[in-house]
Amino acid sequence: SQQGEEDPQALSIQEGENATMNCSYKTSINNLQWYRQNSGRGLVHLILIRSNEREKHSGRLRVTLDTSKKSSSLLITASRAADTASYFCATSGNTPLVFGKGTRLSVIA
Amino acid sequence: NAGVTQTPKFRVLKTGQSMTLLCAQDMNHEYMYWYRQDPGMGLRLIHYSVGEGTTAKGEVPDGYNVSRLKKQNFLLGLESAAPSQTSVYFCASSSTGTDQPQHFGDGTRLSIL
Repeated sequence: SQQGEEDPQALSIQEGENATMNCSYKTSINNLQWYRQNSGRGLVHLILIRSNEREKHSGRLRVTLDTSKKSSSLLITASRAADTASYFCATSGNTPLVFGKGTRLSVIA
Repeated sequence: NAGVTQTPKFRVLKTGQSMTLLCAQDMNHEYMYWYRQDPGMGLRLIHYSVGEGTTAKGEVPDGYNVSRLKKQNFLLGLESAAPSQTSVYFCASSSTGTDQPQHFGDGTRLSIL
């Protein structure tokens, strides 16, 4: 399976700190996407990085992709309490998106 | 725009009962998906559709059926509910391909007793 696997499973930080989450996968991909899920809600797409890209930014989000290591990282800078959520990576290849199990981020005010 | 709307939001069934979950999207998307989310398991794809009148199996299709009679609607059916189908079900849609960003509904919480 090309399922992404996030690390760590849970992360707790103080407001204002940076949060880094990692995703590893097993097979070649077309792109890798990150989603956020607030408690009791559906997933929300954050950012997509193509297999030929190495880094992408969107506001306070920075995503890197290393296809040689089959890994990606999501950095949230200057975190806020509102960033508290679960974050999922999803990989696309020859099948529809495959989601990882997520990282639960808690930002403490 | 409402985006992706799922009905109902909550439902409790008895083992052996049947029900249909409805997903509607107003974004004119071609692709629609049904997932289940269980604690510690992430999202697993049940069935998906690449256009009106089409359906395809995902990772965990057993015990479920789907129909896409209209482009904007994607129905998920449980013919004979089992306790193992207790889960949160999410519908999603994407515009131009299965590798494109997906828009999700807020889920249906289903309990099978």
